[in-house]
Amino acid sequence: GEDVEQSLFLSVREGDSSVINCTYTDSSSTYLYWYKQEPGAGLQLLTYIFSNMDMKQDQRLTVLLNKKDKHLSLRIADTQTGDSAIYFCADNYGQNFVFGPGTRLSVLP
Amino acid sequence: EAQVTQNPRYLITVTGKKLTVTCSQNMNHEYMSWYRQDPGLGLRQIYYSMNVEVTDKGDVPEGYKVSRKEKRNFPLILESPSPNQTSLYFCASSRGGGSSPLHFGNGTRLTVT
Repeated sequence: GEDVEQSLFLSVREGDSSVINCTYTDSSSTYLYWYKQEPGAGLQLLTYIFSNMDMKQDQRLTVLLNKKDKHLSLRIADTQTGDSAIYFCADNYGQNFVFGPGTRLSVLP
Repeated sequence: EAQVTQNPRYLITVTGKKLTVTCSQNMNHEYMSWYRQDPGLGLRQIYYSMNVEVTDKGDVPEGYKVSRKEKRNFPLILESPSPNQTSLYFCASSRGGGSSPLHFGNGTRLTVT
């Protein structure tokens, strides 16, 4: 079946850029998603990218997709303390979704 | 406001006492799903439903039941809860399968003693 992997932890200094990486195995993925989970809350959709795109930018967020390597990344520019959260990469697999384990981003002052 | 509503937010129960966690969405979504989140294991799918009266097992269905009698509701039933079902549970919905994003509820933290 489909597998989605992410590194579990990332620490950055406030004001720096954060890059969260994700790899997936399903070559037929149509959409790939990034979700953010703040403490005590559900998952909130941050952004998504269609598989025929290489890049999508939305304010401070940039998503890069390398379909050949099945690699997805999320870059957060000018990272703020409010960006501290768990970030999940997700892949649509057929009619279903598969999530990575989540990357816990810590932003240091 | 478009939302997925789960109840209760917190639940403490004892082994073997049947419980139901409710989930309701007001977006007329066809697809609904239940996940559990455990430290180090990420989100694991329990059951999902593509439409009314259509449900399928996810990755970890043992010990759980679901039903989809109406489009908006997708309750999760634990007939005989056990301590290994202590977890954080999320309900989610989307317009249609993997081609539209999932909308999540705020979660239900269940403790089984």
